[in-house]
Amino acid sequence: DAGVTQSPTHLIKTRGQQVTLRCSPKSGHDTVSWYQQALGQGPQFIFQYYEEEERQRGNFPDRFSGHQFPNYSSELNVNALLLGDSALYLCASSPPTGAAEAFFGQGTRLTVV
Amino acid sequence: AQSVTQLDSHVSVSEGTPVLLRCNYSSSYSPSLFWYVQHPNKGLQLLLKYTSAATLVKGINGFEAEFKKSETSFHLTKPSAHMSDAAEYFCVVSRSDYKLSFGAGTTVTVRA
Repeated sequence: DAGVTQSPTHLIKTRGQQVTLRCSPKSGHDTVSWYQQALGQGPQFIFQYYEEEERQRGNFPDRFSGHQFPNYSSELNVNALLLGDSALYLCASSPPTGAAEAFFGQGTRLTVV
Repeated sequence: AQSVTQLDSHVSVSEGTPVLLRCNYSSSYSPSLFWYVQHPNKGLQLLLKYTSAATLVKGINGFEAEFKKSETSFHLTKPSAHMSDAAEYFCVVSRSDYKLSFGAGTTVTVRA
């Protein structure tokens, strides 16, 4: 079992550009959540997808959007990138039994210049 | 609303001595509580979890935590620190809807 896999591992973008990050959940998991971790801080919840719908959302602007596919994999899209979007983006997957079994990927390090 | 407060931003211990990382939580109802560890340039790894069963929870690598409802605390301990324990530790609270709320983190350094 490969666990939660994220791609790419590192990414450099210019202000104003758009970026797409990808996540494949752990086998048997149907829920995917995305978190943003700025340097020196704890992860902040962006949103969560279940059955291809956004189930809940944190305090992030509409520039952050996502998608979940029928195979439960997910994408995070960020438009009009700002310098402040530079962070580690973490994907977590959970099984139908709940968050008590959440597993995290290694993350994507996004740098906006 | 639910939140966690990690009382120490940095803890430094000598190898072989006990480790104590303090966490207080606030939640309007019985929460699920977790401790995660993050080694440099790595993702998050679950150390242990409390989900309303036994109040003393044992995790991986010799860590354990005790849920104290009267004190709204969930402190993490380890009897003897190892060099490999140097990392960032996060206390996390969750409702039943999968969203995890993280504390600000505690950086642990281990002196030889």
